[in-house]
Amino acid sequence: NAGVTQTPKFQVLKTGQSMTLQCAQDMNHEYMSWYRQDPGMGLRLIHYSVGAGITDQGEVPNGYNVSRSTTEDFPLRLLSAAPSQTSVYFCAGPRPLSTDTQYFGPGTRLTVL
Amino acid sequence: QQPVQSPQAVILREGEDAVINCSSSKALYSVHWYRQKHGEAPVFLMILLKGGEQKGHDKISASFNEKKQQSSLYLTASQLSYSGTYFCGPEGGSARQLTFGSGTQLTVLP
Repeated sequence: NAGVTQTPKFQVLKTGQSMTLQCAQDMNHEYMSWYRQDPGMGLRLIHYSVGAGITDQGEVPNGYNVSRSTTEDFPLRLLSAAPSQTSVYFCAGPRPLSTDTQYFGPGTRLTVL
Repeated sequence: QQPVQSPQAVILREGEDAVINCSSSKALYSVHWYRQKHGEAPVFLMILLKGGEQKGHDKISASFNEKKQQSSLYLTASQLSYSGTYFCGPEGGSARQLTFGSGTQLTVLP
């Protein structure tokens, strides 16, 4: 039981390139989400999903796409990377309900040159 | 809208106490508290539900006043391991999403 896993751990892109950040969970939970964290700032919600085939936008969705074809996987796609997307990206799951906890993956540190 | 945390930073000596406050502008279902060490992912500490509930986690406790839309985290007899950035994540709205504050950086010195 690995919880929430993310790949890669580090990535450097050039402006305009596209890439996909991978996130997987083995807890069979419906809810997953993506956050970004900029230096000295809190976590801002990008997109979230309440189940396979269902996604919705969070606070800062522009420039990112998500899909949820299976319960286990929730990839985040950067369509055309920009320097403003340099950040640490955390995937989280499951959804906090009642006494449920929300687990964050280890994060992907992305630099866009 | 992000919740407001105060103070933004605090430095303590080992054994001292600290309080971190979190205030939201919207009605809340619950408040979640996390601690993040440098270079690591945030780690869940506790969740506070409606009803003025208090909870404890070792020597860390918290309260939640849903009428005032506020929560406070109490760290008693701080240990070196308490150092890190603390985030509150109020849960509110129809989608029940967490909106995190900008964090409180806590440093515990020997």
